[in-house]
Amino acid sequence: KAGVTQTPRYLIKTRGQQVTLSCSPISGHRSVSWYQQTPGQGLQFLFEYFSETQRNKGNFPGRFSGRQFSNSRSEMNVSTLELGDSALYLCASSLDGQGAVEQYFGPGTRLTVT
Amino acid sequence: ILNVEQSPQSLHVQEGDSTNFTCSFPSSNFYALHWYRWETAKSPEALFVMTLNGDEKKKGRISATLNTKEGYSYLYIKGSQPEDSATYLCAFNSNYQLIWGAGTKLIIKP
Repeated sequence: KAGVTQTPRYLIKTRGQQVTLSCSPISGHRSVSWYQQTPGQGLQFLFEYFSETQRNKGNFPGRFSGRQFSNSRSEMNVSTLELGDSALYLCASSLDGQGAVEQYFGPGTRLTVT
Repeated sequence: ILNVEQSPQSLHVQEGDSTNFTCSFPSSNFYALHWYRWETAKSPEALFVMTLNGDEKKKGRISATLNTKEGYSYLYIKGSQPEDSATYLCAFNSNYQLIWGAGTKLIIKP
């Protein structure tokens, strides 16, 4: 069974630009969560999608948005990039996003904003 | 604001020694507690998902216990090996999201 894939793996953008990251979950998984990880910080929850619906959102500005398609693939978009958005962005999939189900992580997208 | 604390932040352990570290989480509205291992240049990988107070889970030389009433979980590694070097993360489930601790970085000295 193929794992979670994320594209692109690395990205360099300049301030003010926007970026779209993609995540393909494990086949059969309907929940996709997105996380931001910066040096010295734990994983910060961005949002969770299940069956094309956002069920929860973390404490991030509105510049961060996401969506999920009918095939469970998910994208996240960051508009008007700031230097502080430089981070590793991870997505994780699970069967249904319920708390007692483990999540499977992708390799991440390393975003650098200059 | 829900907060998950892990201690220590980092740990150096001699190969062959056993070790343990702690995850503290809110004791109210408990649903599940997750442990993950994150090796350098890899993705976080689930170790355990624990839901019941008093639960103890084991995978090889690694085990974990859970106390939901007082809000803590311990992760134990018996006879540490170089391949155990990683950051160990715990996460508390709340409302379709996992709230993560900052992790314990474990370094095994040969």
